[in-house]
Amino acid sequence: NAGVTQTPKFRILKIGQSMTLQCAQDMNHNYMYWYRQDPGMGLKLIYYSVGAGITDKGEVPNGYNVSRSTTEDFPLRLELAAPSQTSVYFCASTTGQGSGGYTFGSGTRLTVV
Amino acid sequence: DAKTTQPTSMDCAEGRAANLPCNHSTISGNEYVYWYRQIHSQGPQYIIHGLKNNETNEMASLIITEDRKSSTLILPHATLRDTAVYYCIVRVRGSGNTGKLIFGQGTTLQVKP
Repeated sequence: NAGVTQTPKFRILKIGQSMTLQCAQDMNHNYMYWYRQDPGMGLKLIYYSVGAGITDKGEVPNGYNVSRSTTEDFPLRLELAAPSQTSVYFCASTTGQGSGGYTFGSGTRLTVV
Repeated sequence: DAKTTQPTSMDCAEGRAANLPCNHSTISGNEYVYWYRQIHSQGPQYIIHGLKNNETNEMASLIITEDRKSSTLILPHATLRDTAVYYCIVRVRGSGNTGKLIFGQGTTLQVKP
């Protein structure tokens, strides 16, 4: 049982490049989330999904896109990377039923130069 | 979701109990109190949650006041490994909601030898 798996762990992008951060969970969780964390700050919600085919914006969605074609995968797409997107990105999942805890991935550290 | 207020930082001696307070004066009757911690930029780790009764698990105890406007997370015998940022979060209970966790700044707990 791997939990929530994020790839890559580290990435350096040049301004204007694009990339996809991968997130996969093997717990059959319906609800999945993407957060970003800037240095010394708390986590900010980017996008979330309550099931396959359903996504919605969080607190800071600008510059990002998501898709949820399967229950297991929730990729985050960065188009036209900007230095302001330098951050650590965390993916999380939960069952969405009742009050269960959330499982977080180990994060992707992204630097845009 | 209700907003939470936590002290920015706290110190605790190793082996002593760490008591971390959280105010959530606008909490609704259908909102849980969750506690997570984040150790050195790792993914947040679930600790405990509760609705109105006090809760205890292998990691910690959660004391919620009768009016539910504040709570205290108790680490009974703090170790150096408990040094982390601790987040108190409220979220709506029940299926059918988005299950979003909105993070604040948290409390940085420093456990000292």
